[in-house]
Amino acid sequence: DTEVTQTPKHLVMGMTNKKSLKCEQHMGHRAMYWYKQKAKKPPELMFVYSYEKLSINESVPSRFSPECPNSSLLNLHLHALQPEDSALYLCASSQVTGVSDNEQFFGPGTRLTVL
Amino acid sequence: QKEVEQNSGPLSVPEGAIASLNCTYSDRGSQSFFWYRQYSGKSPELIMFIYSNGDKEDGRFTAQLNKASQYVSLLIRDSQPSDSATYLCAVAAGNQFYFGTGTSLTVIP
Repeated sequence: DTEVTQTPKHLVMGMTNKKSLKCEQHMGHRAMYWYKQKAKKPPELMFVYSYEKLSINESVPSRFSPECPNSSLLNLHLHALQPEDSALYLCASSQVTGVSDNEQFFGPGTRLTVL
Repeated sequence: QKEVEQNSGPLSVPEGAIASLNCTYSDRGSQSFFWYRQYSGKSPELIMFIYSNGDKEDGRFTAQLNKASQYVSLLIRDSQPSDSATYLCAVAAGNQFYFGTGTSLTVIP
């Protein structure tokens, strides 16, 4: 299985809602990533988990809360988001971080709209 | 701030021609380099990666790396309309992974 899956595909939420994005991979990868991508911009790294521990938080607002329950799963909990948080949220995984041939594989993304 | 720069394009080539995409990076400690293709509304798809100086070929795609010049390129031979997409250069340095802004490629039938 060489696939990263993400649910839901689309999400519309109000600014007072709490929702979660889910990501799963069964490639035995030990590094998982959350990215945010706005239209016509490159993906922006938000969080990196390495061996289920948060290793990088790119100064992301606390209304985004990541969680890595096990090596296959990655969640992104959302609370009190703003309309400017509307974007495509991408999950990726790689074997490990910090090695030369460390290609990342991306899931299909969740298209988030905050009203 | 580590930088990865690409010409945003758009780059237009006729079908069957060679498309040449370029990328420069600022961090000399960068270890590996990746090319992703992204169709509109879809997620990035890995085309190939390279970490040694020189050329690496995979089918119609050739990646070229010159660490002294901090330059990486992607050549697409026999370009097809289905190659029309945004091509993202990405650079890995330690635990960090930086994307360039992407080059939009259009292959004209």
